[in-house]
Amino acid sequence: NAGVTQTPKFRILKIGQSMTLQCAQDMNHNYMYWYRQDPGMGLKLIYYSVGAGITDKGEVPNGYNVSRSTTEDFPLRLELAAPSQTSVYFCASSYGLAGVTDTQYFGPGTRLTVL
Amino acid sequence: DQQVKQNSPSLSVQEGRISILNCDYTNSMFDYFLWYKKYPAEGPTFLISISSIKDKNEDGRFTVFLNKSAKHLSLHIVPSQPGDSAVYFCAASDNQGGSEKLVFGKGTKLTVNP
Repeated sequence: NAGVTQTPKFRILKIGQSMTLQCAQDMNHNYMYWYRQDPGMGLKLIYYSVGAGITDKGEVPNGYNVSRSTTEDFPLRLELAAPSQTSVYFCASSYGLAGVTDTQYFGPGTRLTVL
Repeated sequence: DQQVKQNSPSLSVQEGRISILNCDYTNSMFDYFLWYKKYPAEGPTFLISISSIKDKNEDGRFTVFLNKSAKHLSLHIVPSQPGDSAVYFCAASDNQGGSEKLVFGKGTKLTVNP
């Protein structure tokens, strides 16, 4: 099992550009999550999905979009990149409710810089 | 408003001694608590958890204590090893409320000196 994979590892964007952060898991997990971690801060939930075709907003969804067309993939889209979106982005997955039936398994992260 | 607080940004201990990492929470609906460990350039990995119906959970060198009345939990690492040097995140969830979400603290950077 590769677990949770994320691409790319690093990316530099110009203000106003768009990009998609890719996330895939091969553990047949129902739940998937996107977090961002700013320097010196904890992880903040951007979006999550409880299954294919179902997504919902987390704590900081503005400026992002997601889709979940398959169980395995959960891409995160930035439409108009802003410097405030400079952060490290982590994708995670779990089989069931976090903390109840399973823990969350995290990918290695994507470091995004917007200049 | 931070619902999960880790007030110590960093902690330094000697190898072989005990490391105690603290976490406070404000939401009384939280009923499950987890600790994650994060090395540089890697994603967080699950370490240990505790349900609100317990006050202690132990796994090898790691023990988590929960004081519900004080809304406080702590992670004890005994004995500490240099490989334990990492950032430790406390997280909480409201599972009775059907929440799929974890709320994370800001993390505490632990350095274990040889």
